[in-house]
Amino acid sequence: EVQVVESGGGLVQPGGSLRLSCADSGLTLSSYWVHWVRQAPGKGLVWVSRINTDGSTTTYADSVKGRFTISRDNAKNTLYLQMNSLRVEDTAVYYCARDFHGRDDLWGRGTLVSVSS
Amino acid sequence: QSALTQPASVSGSPGQSIAISCTGTSSDVGRYNYVSWHQQHPGKAPKLLIYDVSMRPSGVSDRFSGSKSGNTASLTISGLQAEDEADYYCSSYTSRTTYVFGGGTKVTVL
Repeated sequence: EVQVVESGGGLVQPGGSLRLSCADSGLTLSSYWVHWVRQAPGKGLVWVSRINTDGSTTTYADSVKGRFTISRDNAKNTLYLQMNSLRVEDTAVYYCARDFHGRDDLWGRGTLVSVSS
Repeated sequence: QSALTQPASVSGSPGQSIAISCTGTSSDVGRYNYVSWHQQHPGKAPKLLIYDVSMRPSGVSDRFSGSKSGNTASLTISGLQAEDEADYYCSSYTSRTTYVFGGGTKVTVL
């Protein structure tokens, strides 16, 4: 069974940076659009960003535009989310979702990002 | 982009059918047949139930069905079971080429 795995979360001070990574055990990630979705503690899901298969098209939610950058390295079957100028309100579990909204939609278990002084 | 509107909670007895509504605008739900529904159990990753308004991915029970009318999409769970107790989220593609989720609905099996 293919699994998506996120990594790179942790505790960071406001204004700091983190880079999240996402890979899948079936080496299928390169064939799909991939999205990042976040969920603040006790709150609902919020869409963050997406990238197409070759990395030439990216889209962002207004709340992260200009601060977050999504990218991918298909040779490594890995997706990234570079998060800069982090704010307290960015605290959340960040999920990587392969083929979000498609029939092969598959999510990882998420990685927790905590922004606090 | 405002979140789609879902009821905070819905409940039903085992065997009953329940419906969860998801109201958007003419810029998202009403404009595209790109509405999905995800189920999330506590502490778990979301799982896709429905995509493209009414399509069920392989492995999802046919007790789950989706529909849309105008700016409102709906998820119906038939033959409610204890394992269906979870949070449910709708989401839609938007005219800004982004995606928007609903606030989530907690389903309780009485």
